[in-house]
Amino acid sequence: SQELEQSPQSLIVQEGKNLTINCTSSKTLYGLYWYKQKYGEGLIFLMMLQKGGEEKSHEKITAKLDEKKQQSSLHITASQPSHAGIYLCGADSTGTASKLTFGTGTRLQVTL
Amino acid sequence: KAGVTQTPRYLIKTRGQQVTLSCSPISGHRSVSWYQQTPGQGLQFLFEYFSETQRNKGNFPGRFSGRQFSNSRSEMNVSTLELGDSALYLCASSWTGANLNEKLFFGSGTQLSVL
Repeated sequence: SQELEQSPQSLIVQEGKNLTINCTSSKTLYGLYWYKQKYGEGLIFLMMLQKGGEEKSHEKITAKLDEKKQQSSLHITASQPSHAGIYLCGADSTGTASKLTFGTGTRLQVTL
Repeated sequence: KAGVTQTPRYLIKTRGQQVTLSCSPISGHRSVSWYQQTPGQGLQFLFEYFSETQRNKGNFPGRFSGRQFSNSRSEMNVSTLELGDSALYLCASSWTGANLNEKLFFGSGTQLSVL
């Protein structure tokens, strides 16, 4: 079965600093999803990457997919307190969106 | 457009009891998936329903079951509750669940505590 490893497990950054979260898969990535979760709440969709080398940005968040390395990275520029939460990567080994395997998550704290 | 609605938000049960959780997907979405989230195991896939049929299943014991109704609303049931079933149960919906580029929309979850 597919496994996703995220690093780091937790991160504390000062407001205004940049940060990167990595997600590495044990198998070929057909699609990679990034979600954000506030503690005890549901997941909010951030981005979905399908093709190797694909890069997407939304506001101050950029995600890239390196198909050869079976890895994705999520980069936040000029972090803000609103970026705090748990970031989860998810992937599907069946080629559909119906059964995702998720990484262990990266807990991000942004200090003032 | 209303999001994915899960009820109840919080639930406290004792060992041996059974519990039913409900999920109403976004209007028009026909695929509903269920996930269990615990601090130790993270977020794990339980099962997925489409057109009232279970289409995918995760590695959970038979005590975990679900169903989907004709209006796409879904319920999951856990029988003979164990302490380890304490978790946040999340429901997600999508149009068909059959295309890789479909987004999964998650509900806020049901926090189940088993005492």
